[in-house]
Amino acid sequence: GESVGLHLPTLSVQEGDNSIINCAYSNSASDYFIWYKQESGKGPQFIIDIRSNMDKRQGQRVTVLLNKTVKHLSLQIAATQPGDSAVYFCAENREKESGGGADGLTFGKGTHLIIQP
Amino acid sequence: DSGVTQTPKHLITATGQRVTLRCSPRSGDLSVYWYQQSLDQGLQFLIQYYNGEERAKGNILERFSAQQFPDLHSELNLSSLELGDSALYFCASSPRVKGHNNEQFFGPGTRLTVL
Repeated sequence: GESVGLHLPTLSVQEGDNSIINCAYSNSASDYFIWYKQESGKGPQFIIDIRSNMDKRQGQRVTVLLNKTVKHLSLQIAATQPGDSAVYFCAENREKESGGGADGLTFGKGTHLIIQP
Repeated sequence: DSGVTQTPKHLITATGQRVTLRCSPRSGDLSVYWYQQSLDQGLQFLIQYYNGEERAKGNILERFSAQQFPDLHSELNLSSLELGDSALYFCASSPRVKGHNNEQFFGPGTRLTVL
């Protein structure tokens, strides 16, 4: 069956270091992947997305890498700041309109990023 | 602020009761999605509506139902509540049914506690 999962439940990094959060997916039909950040008491907030025709996409201090061969994606956060402390979720979807129907996002379990001063 | 609003923020009720959660999507968005977030199940997709019509169902129980009104706001109805229904319920909205540039924006959620 399809699933999106994260390798680690908690990641602790020093402030100023780079953070790497990993995610594995199993549905080969997935063509759209998204990273969300969820702070305590808030709803998920979009960070960055990537489509299956890309290997890498960069945003402001964040980079998402997609390896379709091993069905793996990662989120890299440069120069981690205290405000980056949150739970990070990867999610997958199928964007192709020709696929018929419509889908909600399938979320992984989440990684709690903890920033050490 | 995502532009998606949800009410109420908190809801405490008893087993067997029925509640209604409300969501207003971002201005211009036609799709509304409902998700449930619990400690054991994580974030799970429940149902999607597009321009008033149901478009997709996820892991939604038969005791739960939803609808989208002509003004595009949506309501999630939860009935015969059980302790296990205690969770955060999120609404998200996006411009279209699916396809490119159809990012989902999430509301702040409603925390439901069933006693």
